[in-house]
Amino acid sequence: DAGVIQSPRHEVTEMGQEVTLRCKPISGHNSLFWYRQTMMRGLELLIYFNNNVPIDDSGMPEDRFSAKMPNASFSTLKIQPSEPRDSAVYFCASSLMGRGGNEQFFGPGTRLTVL
Amino acid sequence: LAKTTQPISMDSYEGQEVNITCSHNNIATNDYITWYQQFPSQGPRFIIQGYKTKVTNEVASLFIPADRKSSTLSLPRVSLSDTAVYYCLVEAAGNKLTFGGGTRVLVKP
Repeated sequence: DAGVIQSPRHEVTEMGQEVTLRCKPISGHNSLFWYRQTMMRGLELLIYFNNNVPIDDSGMPEDRFSAKMPNASFSTLKIQPSEPRDSAVYFCASSLMGRGGNEQFFGPGTRLTVL
Repeated sequence: LAKTTQPISMDSYEGQEVNITCSHNNIATNDYITWYQQFPSQGPRFIIQGYKTKVTNEVASLFIPADRKSSTLSLPRVSLSDTAVYYCLVEAAGNKLTFGGGTRVLVKP
């Protein structure tokens, strides 16, 4: 298995532009997580899907952020419009089922820079 | 507000045992404690998971006291390649998944 796949690996954009991050979870995994990592705030859970349904989006910072999971093999995290403070590494992770008690497999991350 | 706390950094030498303690006062009753390792420019990688008492696998041990308000990751006989950041992850009361701030472990020759 190729593991969790994220694209792009690096993204540089200008303030105000729309950014779309993509994730392909491990086949057979039922849960998908989006995290953001910064020096100041560490690793933060943004949103969690179970069986393609958003279960907890309390970590999504504001309405500029949205996430979708149209099927079991694909998810997107969109930022519109982007701002410099959105600069961070965004990780996608998947697990077999549920949260907390199950090992999460992380992708390599997308490093986003908003100028 | 749930808070998961761990030391910012610690240094060690090759062959020594490293113990990292994470404080998680608000851990949810039914949830597990999980530790991850992260190298630069990579995503976190699972090390070990436990609910109570002691868990051991081929790379680490995890000690959890009866009240489960803390946990200690033990890395036996570390090598230079164990230099990384180590995170604890718990599901706190209120069902909020919370990572600790990470402990940067530097293993010296």
